[in-house]
Amino acid sequence: ILNVEQSPQSLHVQEGDSTNFTCSFPSSNFYALHWYRWETAKSPEALFVMTLNGDEKKKGRISATLNTKEGYSYLYIKGSQPEDSATYLCAPTTSGTYKYIFGTGTRLKVLA
Amino acid sequence: GAGVSQSPSNKVTEKGKDVELRCDPISGHTALYWYRQRLGQGLEFLIYFQGNSAPDKSGLPSDRFSAERTGESVSTLTIQRTQQEDSAVYLCASSLVVGAGANVLTFGAGSRLTVL
Repeated sequence: ILNVEQSPQSLHVQEGDSTNFTCSFPSSNFYALHWYRWETAKSPEALFVMTLNGDEKKKGRISATLNTKEGYSYLYIKGSQPEDSATYLCAPTTSGTYKYIFGTGTRLKVLA
Repeated sequence: GAGVSQSPSNKVTEKGKDVELRCDPISGHTALYWYRQRLGQGLEFLIYFQGNSAPDKSGLPSDRFSAERTGESVSTLTIQRTQQEDSAVYLCASSLVVGAGANVLTFGAGSRLTVL
């Protein structure tokens, strides 16, 4: 079973602040790293899938980086807005598996 | 369908009763997953189905839980003799299969189960 850790568990930021959080995972047999956003009363939705060491992905004000050698990924949000308030989940996968084990998530609250 | 459909959206039951939760995946998605989130906890993997392969049931918490899938369509998660600790949001997700581990999951809206 993959040991996935996300930090911080929760944070509050002011509107306009930039923020980042971390997903840590075992680097052995790594295949891909997924980020999902889960807003209250909605379904989790996919943000990024990254596979290569050094990968960077961007979607609007949100970006992510991947370090497969040391086993971590950062998610950045630039100029946070209230609509960014959500729980951000990561799920690393290993070679040949279809099982996605999610971390406990980082709960972000952006205050207007 | 256009998205992953789950029913019921809300279910309140009494301890000891059986419940069935249904998931209708996106047409053409051969992989189907069940997760749950109990209050204050993360997304917990329960089971996944991939085409005609044997399902991975390694996340089912007890033998009171079972799931079936008809071909590559509807899946039913059954919880027998429900307990209060089964109260959770049960989420279903489906995906195309383009490569193990890199497939993007599309989640349904979930079924909220409350066991009194």
